[in-house]
Amino acid sequence: GAGVSQSPRYKVAKRGQDVALRCDPISGHVSLFWYQQALGQGPEFLTYFQNEAQLDKSGLPSDRFFAERPEGSVSTLKIQRTQQEDSAVYLCASSLAVGGRDYGYTFGSGTRLTVV
Amino acid sequence: AQSVTQLDSHVSVSEGTPVLLRCNYSSSYSPSLFWYVQHPNKGLQLLLKYTSAATLVKGINGFEAEFKKSETSFHLTKPSAHMSDAAEYFCVVSDGGNTPLVFGKGTRLSVIA
Repeated sequence: GAGVSQSPRYKVAKRGQDVALRCDPISGHVSLFWYQQALGQGPEFLTYFQNEAQLDKSGLPSDRFFAERPEGSVSTLKIQRTQQEDSAVYLCASSLAVGGRDYGYTFGSGTRLTVV
Repeated sequence: AQSVTQLDSHVSVSEGTPVLLRCNYSSSYSPSLFWYVQHPNKGLQLLLKYTSAATLVKGINGFEAEFKKSETSFHLTKPSAHMSDAAEYFCVVSDGGNTPLVFGKGTRLSVIA
């Protein structure tokens, strides 16, 4: 598609529920990143995929967070047993090149997760 | 490890006056530097990027930034602010390769009519 698409746009979850957030990157983009943006803060790195390989998951805050990109295209970020501190905007970005250094990223509009 | 400090959390300017958003970075390598803008309820949009070519970088909507290695700075400027420039601006650094982008905390720009 023309841009990075994320769904759902908004998600309200009760504490303890599992959620799945979807990212459709730009077709052909090798690199895919997930970021978490808390209210009033800059985005913070969660995890990075190069095609289907998850090369860096150092930013995932706990083992309740899990991401996959099985066919090297669409990616899903799953959060198990959601907690209130998980409330944030989850941003997905993709890049044509490895790492994204030279091309920058194209970001999606994000999924705003509210845990109540 | 790389890091970014945005020196002002909020900047307010009058329409038609110059804009200066300050950013200092720390990097162990020759970094790439970016400025992104985020309008309310919109995605992040790339304004401009520096990747070891010319030190004065021109971006979209009349913005530009100058990479100053001696000062480890990458300040964003615009000669004349427009109401539509009101948004959150993020300075971003990358050491390259597979290392992720590291964002500053952001500077909120307000433009007064």
